[in-house]
Amino acid sequence: AQRVTQPEKLLSVFKGAPVELKCNYSYSGSPELFWYVQYSRQRLQLLLRHISRESIKGFTADLNKGETSFHLKKPFAQEEDSAMYYCALSGGSSASKIIFGSGTRLSIRP
Amino acid sequence: NAGVTQTPKFQVLKTGQSMTLQCAQDMNHNSMYWYRQDPGMGLRLIYYSASEGTTDKGEVPNGYNVSRLNKREFSLRLESAAPSQTSVYFCASSEEVGGRGWAYEQYFGPGTRLTVT
Repeated sequence: AQRVTQPEKLLSVFKGAPVELKCNYSYSGSPELFWYVQYSRQRLQLLLRHISRESIKGFTADLNKGETSFHLKKPFAQEEDSAMYYCALSGGSSASKIIFGSGTRLSIRP
Repeated sequence: NAGVTQTPKFQVLKTGQSMTLQCAQDMNHNSMYWYRQDPGMGLRLIYYSASEGTTDKGEVPNGYNVSRLNKREFSLRLESAAPSQTSVYFCASSEEVGGRGWAYEQYFGPGTRLTVT
């Protein structure tokens, strides 16, 4: 079965410190992976997607098929990065839907 | 472009009451979705519609019904509200990504905060 696991409910780091939000997935084929972000009082929006291989707001994510992981990283955290982050997976026979993880709340301390 | 719109923004119901949450998108997307967001549970899919005229159950469909009225609109109905349905409800629509037919980026509405007492 498809599953996305985000083991940390809350991650708190100091401004300027590196950030890594963990995401592991369970999927038998070749999924597409996404990171979505929800800032306070805003709607969910796409942060980045694996197929684009892009860096958005300093965040990157590498798909590791051996470890089935898609961790989100940023070398130097900023206060405006405080938000809820969701890892998501799409693909296969249920291609019309995306499976979301339970989310990680990132809090950046000044 | 308004994107994905939802009404109402807030609603309070009493146990047993019914209501319909409305969602519309103006991006000509084929697929639409309803999620609920609960603390510690993340986003859970209630129902989705891969195209006009089709609907499918998601992870937590019990207590809900949906209607894909046309390509633009996808409504969620609570026939007999229960306190366990207190949540924030998000509608989303999606387009195909990457041309491979199965990688869907989603666009979300602002959410409806529902409280059932």
